[in-house]
Amino acid sequence: RKEVEQDPGPFNVPEGATVAFNCTYSNSASQSFFWYRQDCRKEPKLLMSVYSSGNEDGRFTAQLNRASQYISLLIRDSKLSDSATYLCVVRDSNYQLIWGAGTKLIIKP
Amino acid sequence: EPEVTQTPSHQVTQMGQEVILRCVPISNHLYFYWYRQILGQKVEFLVSFYNNEISEKSEIFDDQFSVERPDGSNFTLKIRSTKLEDSAMYFCASSLRDGENSPLHFGNGTRLTVT
Repeated sequence: RKEVEQDPGPFNVPEGATVAFNCTYSNSASQSFFWYRQDCRKEPKLLMSVYSSGNEDGRFTAQLNRASQYISLLIRDSKLSDSATYLCVVRDSNYQLIWGAGTKLIIKP
Repeated sequence: EPEVTQTPSHQVTQMGQEVILRCVPISNHLYFYWYRQILGQKVEFLVSFYNNEISEKSEIFDDQFSVERPDGSNFTLKIRSTKLEDSAMYFCASSLRDGENSPLHFGNGTRLTVT
């Protein structure tokens, strides 16, 4: 089983819609969680950290479910500029960052 | 906002040649990393560096690879004898801490093409 698993997509979503991705992780001792965004051939950029109580930043909401070992990212009122690959990153008990392969999102006008 | 800078943005080299990829981390950060991403594949950890020594390295980071922080600002990745399969984007990153909820800040990357 992969340590961090994501649906590769692509998710084709009309502009203005709400879209959600999940990411599962295998190590129950994982310490912390992040969503990064990566545009084609660019560096990953931190989108948001994921806190135990869930957190929101504008149109983006991240949730953590430790019992089921997944994190989620919800994007509301999606914009064309949200088109990117969304990378789930998990920091394990050894403080290593384990990267998912990413979920590709395409927002269509 | 402070950022991590990497040079060059694109490096083309012949198989067997040595390359040095350069990075200037954010000035008050203490932990430094190199990652690579082969086109179309996931980001892969290479090495982390703290207090002037390697703290972790992956299986990818074999004897062909080395890192240095020669002058307190630059952080370099050297590949001694490049192979075709070393062609990838190489990302440098830095963080203030190495603990929980300490996100990495990435540079723009160096695209290495080995011919």
